[in-house]
Amino acid sequence: DAGITQSPRHKVTETGTPVTLRCHQTENHRYMYWYRQDPGHGLRLIHYSYGVKDTDKGEVSDGYSVSRSKTEDFLLTLESATSSQTSVYFCAISESAAPVTEAFFGQGTRLTVV
Amino acid sequence: AQSVTQLGSHVSVSEGALVLLRCNYSSSVPPYLFWYVQYPNQGLQLLLKYTSAATLVKGINGFEAEFKKSETSFHLTKPSAHMSDAAEYFCAVSVQNTGNQFYFGTGTSLTVIP
Repeated sequence: DAGITQSPRHKVTETGTPVTLRCHQTENHRYMYWYRQDPGHGLRLIHYSYGVKDTDKGEVSDGYSVSRSKTEDFLLTLESATSSQTSVYFCAISESAAPVTEAFFGQGTRLTVV
Repeated sequence: AQSVTQLGSHVSVSEGALVLLRCNYSSSVPPYLFWYVQYPNQGLQLLLKYTSAATLVKGINGFEAEFKKSETSFHLTKPSAHMSDAAEYFCAVSVQNTGNQFYFGTGTSLTVIP
């Protein structure tokens, strides 16, 4: 298994509070991604990083921000959590930007906003 | 925009029967296609990927997929279903940008009936 650790694995938070999810990798892969998984939608890309301090938006980035200060860590922040952000969040990594390159996924973080 | 469509959100087969999970892609350029499997409460695991080297792609656990350009399809098959195949299956297409962005289908939940 690819060395990807997501923390926390489960979190319950209140509406309006800030939340940060962490993704840590030991593979030294350049590219890191945050996806959310919702029933009927599959996985949708939130943000991704193509290097330290280099990030870009995905298709569902509103309400989320990210940071990557080290190769191994990619943080996802919900500045003010809303109930619509209740979801399972997955971090993924890939070695290159070549489209033939697969992504490896973490175990996921289940976030509930009440 | 590139996308994939998975027909059938739920598929049930008897143990030992053929498994067929459908995926159609929308692409104006040669696509790079992937099948992932997700077991309950786990991350996604790569089953196989199409890289244009061969139209019939063999993956792990006895699965294979055939790329058919004329039908814009990449259906996943397995000759004989096992109980352990019960899981969620996702088709995905990758798009090269500053990162390698994956666009996932909505998933197909496979149930295997003993």
